[in-house]
Order: sequence, then structure tokens, then C-alpha cells
Amino acid sequence: AQTVTQSQPEMSVQEAETVTLSCTYDTSESDYYLFWYKQPPSRQMILVIRQEAYKQQNATENRFSVNFQKAAKSFSLKISDSQLGDAAMYFCAYSGGGSQGNLIFGKGTKLSVKP
Amino acid sequence: DAEITQSPRHKITETGRQVTLACHQTWNHNNMFWYRQDLGHGLRLIHYSYGVQDTNKGEVSDGYSVSRSNTEDLPLTLESAASSQTSVYFCASSEVLAGEGDTQYFGPGTRLTVL
Repeated sequence: AQTVTQSQPEMSVQEAETVTLSCTYDTSESDYYLFWYKQPPSRQMILVIRQEAYKQQNATENRFSVNFQKAAKSFSLKISDSQLGDAAMYFCAYSGGGSQGNLIFGKGTKLSVKP
Repeated sequence: DAEITQSPRHKITETGRQVTLACHQTWNHNNMFWYRQDLGHGLRLIHYSYGVQDTNKGEVSDGYSVSRSNTEDLPLTLESAASSQTSVYFCASSEVLAGEGDTQYFGPGTRLTVL
């Protein structure tokens, strides 16, 4: 069975600095998708970024980028120029290529941003 | 704009009562999902549906049921509410696109308290 592990329950970053959130996963599939979701205090789950495993190029969305290491089964999220609004829970999630979208989530990392 | 809504947003009920949480999406997505979120566990899949009349059990399905009579709605029923079912419940929907996988869109969540 696939698993997703986020080893950092909490992280802290200074405003305008860069922070990296870690995620590792375990799977025997070769085709799959990885996601980072943000959950602010409002509880709304917001998609931050998505990566297709067959793409070697790391996904980027404005200040958010990933470091996808397929062989190491690692999928870290880098947030550049951190802003106060980035403070939230961040969840890493996995979806198998043949699973029609079932997501397996990590337990989350709580990010605090200090002014 | 397309959206996914949940009702009620907050619910307090008593042990043993039947409770139904509503989920309605206007994305016209075939896939719909129910998750529960608990501290220390991230989000865990309860039930999911790939289309009308299709339902499947997820990781933590005991005590829950769903039915899918149309594309837009997937209500979640707790047959006999237990205190262990106190949680925040999220509904999500997605559409798998050939060669692109899918992205799940989440509702705002329902906080359920069972006394």
C-alpha cells in the first residue's frame, strides 16, 4: 500500500525568507501524481502545486516550487519570499495513476511565518 | 463559477442518532470523495464514488454510508453516531483527464460533534 510521510510536524520561517517542507512516499507504481495542499485557519483545502511523475521537470507556481526526486521518492515544497499569508497546514498527497484520483495524505506540516 | 458546497457547516448531535452530511458540486465531476480530518491523522478517505450508482469503501468506512443518485450530490450518512466520529468532514470532487491525472477540489468542511 502507498504511504506518504511528512517528517516535520511544525516549521517556522521568517517573513521574506525561504523554507522547504519535506515529503517522502512509498509506492511500487511508476505512474502517479503528487500534490501539495494548503489549509489555512479557514479550513479550506487549497491546491498549491501538482507534479506528474512522468515529468522530470519540477513544477513551479509563482513563489512555490517542488524538488521531485523520483528515485528517492521525495517530493519537497519550497516557498520563496515567505509571506504572512503562507502560514497554514501543508499536506503532501499521492494519487496513483490508475486509481482515478484517490488521494493518500501525509499528516501535515504546520508552517508559522514570523514578521 | 463552479463550486463544491457542504451543509451544514457545523453540527452537534447525540450518540446513536442518524446524521446526514450533504455535499453538492457544480463542476459536473464524475468522481466524488468523503474524507475525515483528525489531529495527528491528516485526511483519511471514508467513501468515494466514480459515478452515478457507484460507491466504494475507503480506509475508514465503518459506521458510514453513501449513495449517489445523481452527478452533483454525494450525501454521507452516519447510521448511529458515535463519539469517535467527532471530526471535520471534507467532501471533494475531481475529473480524471487522459494524460493529466486529476486535481481534487474540496468543499469548506463540516465540523461534526457527537456528544
